[in-house]
Amino acid sequence: KAGVTQTPRYLIKTRGQQVTLSCSPISGHRSVSWYQQTPGQGLQFLFEYFSETQRNKGNFPGRFSGRQFSNSRSEMNVSTLELGDSALYLCASSFGDRDYTEAFFGQGTRLTVV
Amino acid sequence: DAKTTQPPSMDCAEGRAANLPCNHSTISGNEYVYWYRQIHSQGPQYIIHGLKNNETNEMASLIITEDRKSSTLILPHATLRDTAVYYCIVRDLNTGGFKTIFGAGTRLFVKA
Repeated sequence: KAGVTQTPRYLIKTRGQQVTLSCSPISGHRSVSWYQQTPGQGLQFLFEYFSETQRNKGNFPGRFSGRQFSNSRSEMNVSTLELGDSALYLCASSFGDRDYTEAFFGQGTRLTVV
Repeated sequence: DAKTTQPPSMDCAEGRAANLPCNHSTISGNEYVYWYRQIHSQGPQYIIHGLKNNETNEMASLIITEDRKSSTLILPHATLRDTAVYYCIVRDLNTGGFKTIFGAGTRLFVKA
């Protein structure tokens, strides 16, 4: 079966711009979580969506937002980009119900802000 | 904050067993121990998870102490392709959410 798909794989943006990243989860998975990974901070949790609702949120400013569609695909948006937003953005999908299965990660979108 | 503590790096000879320790002394009864690994610039890959019993799959074995305050991931015959950062995390599945906090992980170097 198809894995988690993130698009685009690479992106270069200018400070002040906004960006939208997309994540298509594994078929049947209803939970999508987003992470930011930088060399200095490691993997940091951004937020999690389940059935179109944000269920958990990390400690990121309001410039970082997301949404989930009825087909479970999710997008995250970063507005007013800063140089420090340069990172690998990863999403993970899982069934999201109270089961004990694993979450599968996509390959990530590498965002460079110049 | 991450609820786990791991050594920053470890070495292992190719073909030998790699034993990666993890401390999770504040783990609660509802929390599972999960292990992921990340090969450079790729998304983390699920390895194994467990609650209190030892677990084994085709990739690895997970040994959890009786008090559940620590665990060890065992790669029985490490290969060069096992060189990666290994993350031990605890995950409360009873909340219905997946708010997983990753620590710094252990960078495993498998040497020929």
